[in-house]
Amino acid sequence: EAGVAQSPRYKIIEKRQSVAFWCNPISGHATLYWYQQILGQGPKLLIQFQNNGVVDDSQLPKDRFSAERLKGVDSTLKIQPAKLEDSAVYLCASSSNRDSPLHFGNGTRLTVT
Amino acid sequence: AQSVAQPEDQVNVAEGNPLTVKCTYSVSGNPYLFWYVQYPNRGLQFLLKYITGDNLVKGSYGFEAEFNKSQTSFHLKKPSALVSDSALYFCAVRDNRKDDKIIFGKGTRLHILP
Repeated sequence: EAGVAQSPRYKIIEKRQSVAFWCNPISGHATLYWYQQILGQGPKLLIQFQNNGVVDDSQLPKDRFSAERLKGVDSTLKIQPAKLEDSAVYLCASSSNRDSPLHFGNGTRLTVT
Repeated sequence: AQSVAQPEDQVNVAEGNPLTVKCTYSVSGNPYLFWYVQYPNRGLQFLLKYITGDNLVKGSYGFEAEFNKSQTSFHLKKPSALVSDSALYFCAVRDNRKDDKIIFGKGTRLHILP
């Protein structure tokens, strides 16, 4: 089966600019996750979707981050405006059900200068 | 609140020796436990999981983990380390009494010395 696809792989922007990341999960996976991984830390959940509904976005900085999963398939994560501390790898993952492991994409490495 | 701890930032093991990467957790209900591995510039790859049943779980690449409820631990083990096992390892937990949020530890870097 095809894995989780993410784009772009790398992005460099200046602070206060905006950026968007795209994720296409494994076909048929109802649950989609966006994680932020700062260098030297474990992944931190930003938002979790079940189909096209939000299950958890308690750690999403909603003043600058937004995410959507229209039609319950692919998803976009946006940052506007970006801050220096947003420099991180943004990982998308999907799973088919509650007992199943997460399948991760290769991530998008964001550098904010 | 659920949490997971990986007490070692780095573990060094000589090739051919057994390895252990430690993980402890805290949940209010029964835990779902996972181990993932991350190679440079890649996403996380699933190694193994514990949901219920046998306390010793076998996974990919010869890895196994032992669930110990009394010590709230889920240590990752391998009988004989390979240089190619060098990577970043993450333990993760989900509390089956609460939402579906999966919490990751901070990771342990494993160095296998030739």
